[in-house]
Amino acid sequence: NAGVTQTPKFQVLKTGQSMTLQCAQDMNHEYMSWYRQDPGMGLRLIHYSVGAGITDQGEVPNGYNVSRSTTEDFPLRLLSAAPSQTSVYFCASRTTGDYGYTFGSGTRLTVV
Amino acid sequence: AQRVTQPEKLLSVFKGAPVELKCNYSYSGSPELFWYVQYSRQRLQLLLRHISRESIKGFTADLNKGETSFHLKKPFAQEEDSAMYYCALSGLDGGSNYKLTFGKGTLLTVNP
Repeated sequence: NAGVTQTPKFQVLKTGQSMTLQCAQDMNHEYMSWYRQDPGMGLRLIHYSVGAGITDQGEVPNGYNVSRSTTEDFPLRLLSAAPSQTSVYFCASRTTGDYGYTFGSGTRLTVV
Repeated sequence: AQRVTQPEKLLSVFKGAPVELKCNYSYSGSPELFWYVQYSRQRLQLLLRHISRESIKGFTADLNKGETSFHLKKPFAQEEDSAMYYCALSGLDGGSNYKLTFGKGTLLTVNP
């Protein structure tokens, strides 16, 4: 098992550009989430999904879209990048009764 | 609403000294508590889950529902324990256990 795979690892965007952060898991987990990690703020939930076709907003959803067409994939879209979206983004997944969430290695995004 | 508070941003101890990282939570239902560890710029790794009552790398944590706390303890700190530690909470009472809420983290430094 590869676990949770995030691509790219690093990305630099210009303000106003759009992009998609990819997240894939091969553990057949139904729950998937996106977090952003900022200094002094911990990890904050952006969007989450409880299964294919079902998504919902977390704590800081503005400026981001998600979809879940398959169990394996949960991409995060930045519609029009802003400097405030400079952060490290983590994707995570789990299944009911599983030993907590498994995290990806993160995407470090810089918006200039 | 669920909330996790880690009162110490920074904690510095000497090698061999006991260490306690504090975590308090607020949740109206039945909580599921975790400790995650993040070594320098790496992915988050699950350290402990309160349900399993395990001891990992010498760390233990006990859920105290009366004090709504889940403090992380280790009797003798090692230099390799230096990392960022996050306390996290989700719900065991169905419907919300996919929402993992994090504290802001405590950076532990173990000095030689």
